[in-house]
Amino acid sequence: DAGVTQSPTHLIKTRGQQVTLRCSPKSGHDTVSWYQQALGQGPQFIFQYYEEEERQRGNFPDRFSGHQYPNYSSELNVNALLLGDSALYLCASSFVGRAGTDTQYFGPGTRLTVL
Amino acid sequence: GESVGLHLPTLSVQEGDNSIINCAYSNSASDYFIWYKQESGKGPQFIIDIRSNMDKRQGQRVTVLLNKTVKHLSLQIAATQPGDSAVYFCAEAKANSGSARQLTFGSGTQLTVLP
Repeated sequence: DAGVTQSPTHLIKTRGQQVTLRCSPKSGHDTVSWYQQALGQGPQFIFQYYEEEERQRGNFPDRFSGHQYPNYSSELNVNALLLGDSALYLCASSFVGRAGTDTQYFGPGTRLTVL
Repeated sequence: GESVGLHLPTLSVQEGDNSIINCAYSNSASDYFIWYKQESGKGPQFIIDIRSNMDKRQGQRVTVLLNKTVKHLSLQIAATQPGDSAVYFCAEAKANSGSARQLTFGSGTQLTVLP
């Protein structure tokens, strides 16, 4: 049973560019949450997708957007990249469903460097 | 805003000793708490969770204690091993009908196991 997978592993972009990160949830999970983790800090919640809709959003600008597909996989898009967007981007999946426990399991992350 | 914080940024213990990692939270509405372990270059790994209707929960070599009166959470690791060296995060969340919880993380405690 595969866990949460993310791609790519590493990414280098320049300021002003756009980036798309991808996440495949753990088998049987229906919800994907995205977090940003700056170096030496705890993860910060960006947003969450369930049933192909954004359900919750943290304190992040509209430059951060996402999508969830019918197979529950998800994308995180960041436009007009800033130096401060350099971080580890983590995807977490969980099962909400009708009787989900909503324990979130994290993927290995995508390390984004903005030059 | 309300947030989760940790008392100590670093903790060093001798191999075989017990470790105790502490965490303070301030959101009285939080009803779900989780401990994650993060090794260098990896995503957070779920260790154990506890809901607010419990005071204690045990897993394999780990115990989580919750004191709602003083808003304090602790993780106890028995017979600490070199493989336990990592950053430990506590996270809190509150119930959110119809979707998974939004986790709020503290800044983490670096646990180092000495030979």
